[in-house]
Amino acid sequence: GENVEQHPSTLSVQEGDSAVIKCTYSDSASNYFPWYKQELGKRPQLIIDIRSNVGEKKDQRIAVTLNKTAKHFSLHITETQPEDSAVYFCAARDLSGGYNKLIFGAGTRLAVHP
Amino acid sequence: SAVISQKPSRDICQRGTSLTIQCQVDSQVTMMFWYRQQPGQSLTLIATANQGSEATYESGFVIDKFPISRPNLTFSTLTVSNMSPEDSSIYLCSVHVDPNTEAFFGQGTRLTVV
Repeated sequence: GENVEQHPSTLSVQEGDSAVIKCTYSDSASNYFPWYKQELGKRPQLIIDIRSNVGEKKDQRIAVTLNKTAKHFSLHITETQPEDSAVYFCAARDLSGGYNKLIFGAGTRLAVHP
Repeated sequence: SAVISQKPSRDICQRGTSLTIQCQVDSQVTMMFWYRQQPGQSLTLIATANQGSEATYESGFVIDKFPISRPNLTFSTLTVSNMSPEDSSIYLCSVHVDPNTEAFFGQGTRLTVV
């Protein structure tokens, strides 16, 4: 089955700086890679996703890049703001068994300091 | 999209007892997923619940401890049986309307076992 590794576990940046979070996955058959943001005490919310037929996707200050050959994908947040402070999880869709389940990385706690 | 109602939102239970968590979705979905999120940790998949068949459990999780029901395409329950303090965690249900699109999460059930 799929295994997802995520780095770093914590990230501290100054407001206005960029933040980059990286993930690797193990199953080359995986074709869907979402990123979730989880604020304290709340449910995970999708912020951006990418499919394996695309190398990069951008949505305002957030972008995701995918390198299928290397089996890694990254989240880029530019012009960070204090409200970006949260835990971010990457995930990969595990297609084994036909259940299309999501396997999550360990999470990155991002702190944006004013 | 999908709107998920999960209850209870929190509970404090005595060790040795059981708690059943309910998950109601506003649309019909083939599969529902149950995750556990231990304090400060990532989301770990417990099992996949497919309507009309037994749930499929991930390594480390067994049916006797986490029985799941899936009576129809909009509802599922997860029971945490014979609880111990180590079961204290947040339990989340999740669905995806389309296997290749985002997963939606319930608000979670924060369980404390004393």
